[in-house]
Amino acid sequence: AQTVTQSQPEMSVQEAETVTLSCTYDTSESDYYLFWYKQPPSRQMILVIRQEAYKQQNATENRFSVNFQKAAKSFSLKISDSQLGDAAMYFCAYLFQGAQKLVFGQGTRLTINP
Amino acid sequence: SAVISQKPSRDICQRGTSLTIQCQVDSQVTMMFWYRQQPGQSLTLIATANQGSEATYESGFVIDKFPISRPNLTFSTLTVSNMSPEDSSIYLCSVGTDGTDTQYFGPGTRLTVL
Repeated sequence: AQTVTQSQPEMSVQEAETVTLSCTYDTSESDYYLFWYKQPPSRQMILVIRQEAYKQQNATENRFSVNFQKAAKSFSLKISDSQLGDAAMYFCAYLFQGAQKLVFGQGTRLTINP
Repeated sequence: SAVISQKPSRDICQRGTSLTIQCQVDSQVTMMFWYRQQPGQSLTLIATANQGSEATYESGFVIDKFPISRPNLTFSTLTVSNMSPEDSSIYLCSVGTDGTDTQYFGPGTRLTVL
């Protein structure tokens, strides 16, 4: 069974600094997708970034980028120029291509210090 | 991405009663999903709501406890039946965007059972 592990329950960073959130996963599949979702106190799950496993190039969305290491089964999220609005729970998630079930990690609570 | 709404946004219920949660999408989608997020926990898939057929439930979730309807391609309901305090959670619906394997989430329903 696929599993997703986020080893950092909490992280904090100074405003305008850079922070990296870690995620590892376990799968025997070769075709899959990886996601980072953000959940602020409003509880809405917001898609931050998406990575297809067959793509070697790391995905980037404005201040958010990933470091995808397929052989190591690692998928970290880097947030540059952190802003107060980035404070939230961040969940890493895995989806096997063609399947329907998103498998989530335990989440990392990110605090931004002004 | 699709615009997804849920009703109610929150509710406080007595044990033994049932609550029906609605999920409405602004466009037709093939796949709709229901997740549960227990306090301080990650998300767990309850079931996939299939239009025109029975929902597909994940291990640990049964139709008698969580009946689901999917009358058309833009709407689904999840009922939490015979509630107990252990059912206190956030319930989220999500939709799969055809062809991208990406799921987008509704704002969630916060349920408290007394």
